[in-house]
Amino acid sequence: QEQLQESGPGLVKPSETLSLTCTISGDSITSYYWTWIRQPPGKGLEWIGLIYFSGNAIYNPSLKSRVTISADTSKNQFSLKLNSLTAADTAVYYCARERIAAEGPVWYFDLWGRGTLVTVSS
Amino acid sequence: DIQMTQSPSSLSASVGDRVTITCRASQSISNYLNWYQHRPGKAPKLLIYVASSLQSGVPSRFRGSGSGTDFTLTISSLQPEDFATYYCQQSYSSPRTFGQGTKVEIK
Repeated sequence: QEQLQESGPGLVKPSETLSLTCTISGDSITSYYWTWIRQPPGKGLEWIGLIYFSGNAIYNPSLKSRVTISADTSKNQFSLKLNSLTAADTAVYYCARERIAAEGPVWYFDLWGRGTLVTVSS
Repeated sequence: DIQMTQSPSSLSASVGDRVTITCRASQSISNYLNWYQHRPGKAPKLLIYVASSLQSGVPSRFRGSGSGTDFTLTISSLQPEDFATYYCQQSYSSPRTFGQGTKVEIK
């Protein structure tokens, strides 16, 4: 069964770096694109960025200066690092798989993890 | 960035009701539009992609329509498991952006 599972600390201090990992089960990281998305409390979903298995990554310009997404093909995992944290980075962080539709060049997120809450607080 | 605006932000409905949620893009996105359902504590679930294609395993009471800037998600007969928050999302350009969500609550 295909599944994504986020893991990482639930509490991080301001100015520090957040590190999260997404473990892929039932699929290979060499397939499709792999994405991080977050949702601050009471707010909408924000796309953070994605990575191809080749290691190429694309980031949301609003976070680009602070974000790194990387992949570990040997562990079938991909990771998120977000530095210079503030309270505004408090959110539920989701990993997701992005794939292209057979009907045309439309991309969609067809598999999501359940998310992990990260609180930025001293 | 392309802004996605959903309406209403929330609605109350009863089991068996027909529910319609709209999503408007700040510019034309052709049919690069997807819909998701999110129940608390669960992983978001893809319902509709390419504006009107039903994801495998999703009940046929869910229907998507529209193109350009205006899109609609319709639930023909609301079921107890459908009480959730629904999001539209564009994949026309990067960064991907989502609507703010529509919460469907029990009346």
